[in-house]
Amino acid sequence: SAVISQKPSRDICQRGTSLTIQCQVDSQVTMMFWYRQQPGQSLTLIATANQGSEATYESGFVIDKFPISRPNLTFSTLTVSNMSPEDSSIYLCSVVIGSKETQYFGPGTRLLVL
Amino acid sequence: KQEVTQIPAALSVPEGENLVLNCSFTDSAIYNLQWFRQDPGKGLTSLLLIQSSQREQTSGRLNASLDKSSGRSTLYIAASQPGDSATYLCAVPTSGSRLTFGEGTQLTVNP
Repeated sequence: SAVISQKPSRDICQRGTSLTIQCQVDSQVTMMFWYRQQPGQSLTLIATANQGSEATYESGFVIDKFPISRPNLTFSTLTVSNMSPEDSSIYLCSVVIGSKETQYFGPGTRLLVL
Repeated sequence: KQEVTQIPAALSVPEGENLVLNCSFTDSAIYNLQWFRQDPGKGLTSLLLIQSSQREQTSGRLNASLDKSSGRSTLYIAASQPGDSATYLCAVPTSGSRLTFGEGTQLTVNP
């Protein structure tokens, strides 16, 4: 398995501002993802964080709104830009480990936008 | 497009009862299926991963089965305990290990 940490664990932000969320893994991993979980809903994939190249975004998510960095194989950031109350969610990073491709998740960042 | 459905959406049982959570998926061309647990406001804990070549996977009181041809998986929890209360999610990967999740089953085990 992997130990995954996220910072901050939670935040309350004003609309129009931006927040950068960090994800740190205790081992090098090839595949890293960012998910969003809106209140009362399941998880939706935002993007795949690619090391050394631009992230791959899912339908409905764009780089201007959710810029992602992946400078190395243990770290990634997700920025939620120009926030609105609709961005209030839990944001989770995940990694794939092992030959069976088990996916492990960080503890999440709980964001409330006022 | 893969769609994942979980039934029931919520379940409340007395302590000690055995229970089954259901997960169905529309595209049977999967290579594994993963069950997760999520406590309120928390991240996800991986419970079991079943490879497409397997029919069952067990961990303690949990047993997950997979029937690829019918697009179904079940999570069986034996002798349920109040500490099992959580939301249970199943997920299947699409290309590049990107997961599609079901909506989850919210389980409450009453002492």
